[in-house]
Amino acid sequence: AQSVTQLGSHVSVSEGALVLLRCNYSSSVPPYLFWYVQYPNQGLQLLLKYTTGATLVKGINGFEAEFKKSETSFHLTKPSAHMSDAAEYFCAVSDGSQGNLIFGKGTKLSVKP
Amino acid sequence: DTEVTQTPKHLVMGMTNKKSLKCEQHMGHRAMYWYKQKAKKPPELMFVYSYEKLSINESVPSRFSPECPNSSLLNLHLHALQPEDSALYLCASSQFASRDEETQYFGPGTRLLVL
Repeated sequence: AQSVTQLGSHVSVSEGALVLLRCNYSSSVPPYLFWYVQYPNQGLQLLLKYTTGATLVKGINGFEAEFKKSETSFHLTKPSAHMSDAAEYFCAVSDGSQGNLIFGKGTKLSVKP
Repeated sequence: DTEVTQTPKHLVMGMTNKKSLKCEQHMGHRAMYWYKQKAKKPPELMFVYSYEKLSINESVPSRFSPECPNSSLLNLHLHALQPEDSALYLCASSQFASRDEETQYFGPGTRLLVL
């Protein structure tokens, strides 16, 4: 069965610092992986997704993630944090059968001035 | 346009009330979803509609009754809810329900409070 684990429920960085949000997956089939962001009192917005092909995936708002099969990881990075990046971030994997998403528990990103 | 709209934004209801949540998309998507999200938790899948037919019901209590009148519209009828049902209810849609690479597009949610 597919699952994702997000390491760190809360990450705090200074404005301008590197953002690194960790996600490890478990999948019995080639995984399709997603990162979503949720701003306070809003729905989820897709940041990026990995299906097949290039392992470095670029998303919106300067975020990118690298699929590493050997490490079963799909960590999200951004070179320079902005105050507006403060939000909850969810890593998700497709369940391998009906396209349903299995979410990690989420990581709250705080950005300090 | 990748917009999913939901109404109302906020809803307060008593345990004996009947209310409905509405979700709409005009992207031509054939799959629509209802999720429940409690505070500081990830979304939990409730229902999936594929081609206007209910394809997944994740053992949701019968006090939640979904309806898909057409390919653009999804409703969630609420009756005799409990205070623990208070949550953010998210609607999502995707091109198809059966392909793992499909992106789900989420609406802003309806924040429900049951008194």
